[in-house]
Amino acid sequence: GENVEQHPSTLSVQEGDSAVIKCTYSDSASNYFPWYKQELGKRPQLIIDIRSNVGEKKDQRIAVTLNKTAKHFSLHITETQPEDSAVYFCAAIGTGNQFYFGTGTSLTVIP
Amino acid sequence: EAGVAQSPRYKIIEKRQSVAFWCNPISGHATLYWYQQILGQGPKLLIQFQNNGVVDDSQLPKDRFSAERLKGVDSTLKIQPAKLEDSAVYLCASSPRDSSEETQYFGPGTRLLVL
Repeated sequence: GENVEQHPSTLSVQEGDSAVIKCTYSDSASNYFPWYKQELGKRPQLIIDIRSNVGEKKDQRIAVTLNKTAKHFSLHITETQPEDSAVYFCAAIGTGNQFYFGTGTSLTVIP
Repeated sequence: EAGVAQSPRYKIIEKRQSVAFWCNPISGHATLYWYQQILGQGPKLLIQFQNNGVVDDSQLPKDRFSAERLKGVDSTLKIQPAKLEDSAVYLCASSPRDSSEETQYFGPGTRLLVL
């Protein structure tokens, strides 16, 4: 089955700086990679996703890049704001359409 | 549109007791998922339904967990008997079609504490 690793587990940045979270996956057949944001005590919410036929996708301050050869994908948040503080999860859809989540990155944006 | 509904929101039980969770997905969504999220970890898929059929239950501990989705709409997840390690948030999610390449919409979760 798929194995998704996520780094770092915690990340602190100053407001206005950029944050980068990286995930690797093991199943070369995986073809869909969403990112979720989960605030304390709340449900995960999709913030951006990318499919395997695209190398990069951007939505305002958030971007995701995918390197299929190396089997890794990254979340980039620019001009971070305090409200970006949350736990971020990457996920990959493996063989058989199973969702595999990473272990999460706790992002803290320091005002 | 209304979101995914779950109940109860919180449940405290003693080990070896039974518990059931309920999920009502977004209207018209064919696919329904149950996840277990242990504190500090990412969600782990327990079972995936497409309409009223099971697509994947490979990570469901079948000796104590069961789930059903009668009529392809609401779903219930049951634990019998519960163990201490079952303490977690149980998330239900739904997506519009029969492919996992669709946005999943999560419910608020049921927080279970087993004493």
